[in-house]
Amino acid sequence: EELLVESGGGVARPGGSLRLSCVASGFNFDDYGVGWVRQGPGKGLEWVSGINWNVATTTYADSVQGRFTISRDNAKKSLHLQMDSLRVEDTALYFCARRAMSTIPIWYFDLWGRGTLVIVSS
Amino acid sequence: SYELTQPPAVSVSPGQTASITCSGDRLGNTYACWYQQKPGQSPVLVIYQDDRRPSGIPERFSGSTSGNTATLTISGTQPMDEADYYCQTWDSKTAVFGTGTKVTVL
Repeated sequence: EELLVESGGGVARPGGSLRLSCVASGFNFDDYGVGWVRQGPGKGLEWVSGINWNVATTTYADSVQGRFTISRDNAKKSLHLQMDSLRVEDTALYFCARRAMSTIPIWYFDLWGRGTLVIVSS
Repeated sequence: SYELTQPPAVSVSPGQTASITCSGDRLGNTYACWYQQKPGQSPVLVIYQDDRRPSGIPERFSGSTSGNTATLTISGTQPMDEADYYCQTWDSKTAVFGTGTKVTVL
């Protein structure tokens, strides 16, 4: 079974840091781009960041650019998101998602984890 | 920033057809996909590249585009289709999600 399992969520103060992780199983992790999508309480989906299969390309939403850093370790089948300078508005459920294989240079997501909850509050 | 606009809510009777639109001024130049998200669950891809259906997704789900509007159609809607639906595209190396539509099966 193909799985993505997130961890690392919790409560942080504004200005603080958290590091999220996502571990993949059941498929060749290093063949795929992966990313993070978040969902605030009662809100819609919001793209956060993505990284391609060979780490050559990383992308970020404007709302997190300069504060969050995405990375991956293909040997450990893991994806990470270092979240610094956290803000109250970063409070959300953070999903790890796999980019679907495609011959077209677009990203869409065919496998999602269950998410890890981040709460930023003073 | 680029926005994709969806109607907040759509209501449909069991067995009838539900249509959800997604509008964006650059959608005509790229592809759209659609996700279904039930309460407390992760999103599930139901349509990709405008009109393609992943394996395991029922045939009653279909997608189409016209100009700058993508449409998800659920034919013969079932109570289990009650969920939030999001469109998504790829623009300037970022994923853009629609505002989301809550489908209620009355």
